[in-house]
Amino acid sequence: GAGVSQSPSNKVTEKGKDVELRCDPISGHTALYWYRQRLGQGLEFLIYFQGNSAPDKSGLPSDRFSAERTGESVSTLTIQRTQQEDSAVYLCASSLWGRGTGELFFGEGSRLTVL
Amino acid sequence: KQEVTQIPAALSVPEGENLVLNCSFTDSAIYNLQWFRQDPGKGLTSLLLIQSSQREQTSGRLNASLDKSSGRSTLYIAASQPGDSATYLCAPPASNSGYALNFGKGTSLLVTP
Repeated sequence: GAGVSQSPSNKVTEKGKDVELRCDPISGHTALYWYRQRLGQGLEFLIYFQGNSAPDKSGLPSDRFSAERTGESVSTLTIQRTQQEDSAVYLCASSLWGRGTGELFFGEGSRLTVL
Repeated sequence: KQEVTQIPAALSVPEGENLVLNCSFTDSAIYNLQWFRQDPGKGLTSLLLIQSSQREQTSGRLNASLDKSSGRSTLYIAASQPGDSATYLCAPPASNSGYALNFGKGTSLLVTP
């Protein structure tokens, strides 16, 4: 597609359930990033992929969070046993080059609400 | 860790004014710096990317400058319009790893007709 696509755009779930958030980066972009933005807060880095590998997972807040990328394309962020503090907008970005050297393009985000 | 500060936190101006948004960062060993705008409930839109070898980058009414040695960048918006109302974010890459962009908390801009 022309831009970064994320789904679902909105997700409401009950505490304790697992959720999966999907990101389709711009075709040909080798680098992919996940960020989280809590209400009224700044962006928090979660994880960075170069190709299908994740050389930087330092931002994942707990072992309930995991992510994978396949085919150097689609990425899925999985949150297990969701908690209310996981409520946030999860943003995905991609760039042509990695290591922070390329211009980042963001999707519209997936808004997660945990009841 | 790269610390990013944006001043002012909020700004309200009448339409037509020229304005300057400031960004400072603690680690000057960066490849580039990117400016974004974020509209309420939306993702981020890239405005300008300044490479470390550049001092300025221009796009339409926007001009961004970068002074790595002092750890500062400014975004200049000429002849502001109500459609410019948004939150503006600057993002230098994280120090040491160069992987992730670190974001400031942004400047919330309101341009009134």
